[in-house]
Amino acid sequence: ETGVTQSPTHLIKTRGQQVTLRCSSQSGHNTVSWYQQALGQGPQFIFQYYREEENGRGNFPPRFSGLQFPNYSSELNVNALELDDSALYLCASSLNSFYNEQFFGPGTRLTVL
Amino acid sequence: QKEVEQNSGPLSVPEGAIASLNCTYSDRGSQSFFWYRQYSGKSPELIMFIYSNGDKEDGRFTAQLNKASQYVSLLIRDSQPSDSATYLCAVNAGNQFYFGTGTSLTVIP
Repeated sequence: ETGVTQSPTHLIKTRGQQVTLRCSSQSGHNTVSWYQQALGQGPQFIFQYYREEENGRGNFPPRFSGLQFPNYSSELNVNALELDDSALYLCASSLNSFYNEQFFGPGTRLTVL
Repeated sequence: QKEVEQNSGPLSVPEGAIASLNCTYSDRGSQSFFWYRQYSGKSPELIMFIYSNGDKEDGRFTAQLNKASQYVSLLIRDSQPSDSATYLCAVNAGNQFYFGTGTSLTVIP
């Protein structure tokens, strides 16, 4: 167990809807990164938040957005859902950005119908 | 060209043998390198990280980094059936973090 928690575990949405996924970081960690993992693929970096500011972003459209709160928990919001957004969404926490080890939560399985 | 490349496998080794997993990366500015293990239906679990050229050992695992060749590897000694999983190589380059597609390892009892 890493101490990183995510909610919900599973989610089913329809195309065009909006979704919010949540992550609580490991105690003492100030950085949260989000990843999308499609079946059979490695995780794809969406973005990272460090001390409530976006600290890096992967090749994802603006309809993927996020927040980090003062307690370092984080949200991932996806607007205008598309079928290809169906994936496992992973949150990882670390201390002080990318250079340190990232520890993953259990993930949220999103299905878009 | 992908930022991080791994042989997808599957790689099969007998129990007790050494498993060798390889990874190449494209960004010469990459600074930190990680190996994760992922069991089917689970999230990635950190095994090792390495920042400097050379070898780093932790129990049955050894990570090897060669920045000149842009190559990082993971050796698993005395492989056990519980090591059967997908192994993901991950690389930090600036404010980006890249994963390979993973190598599937099966340890045969």
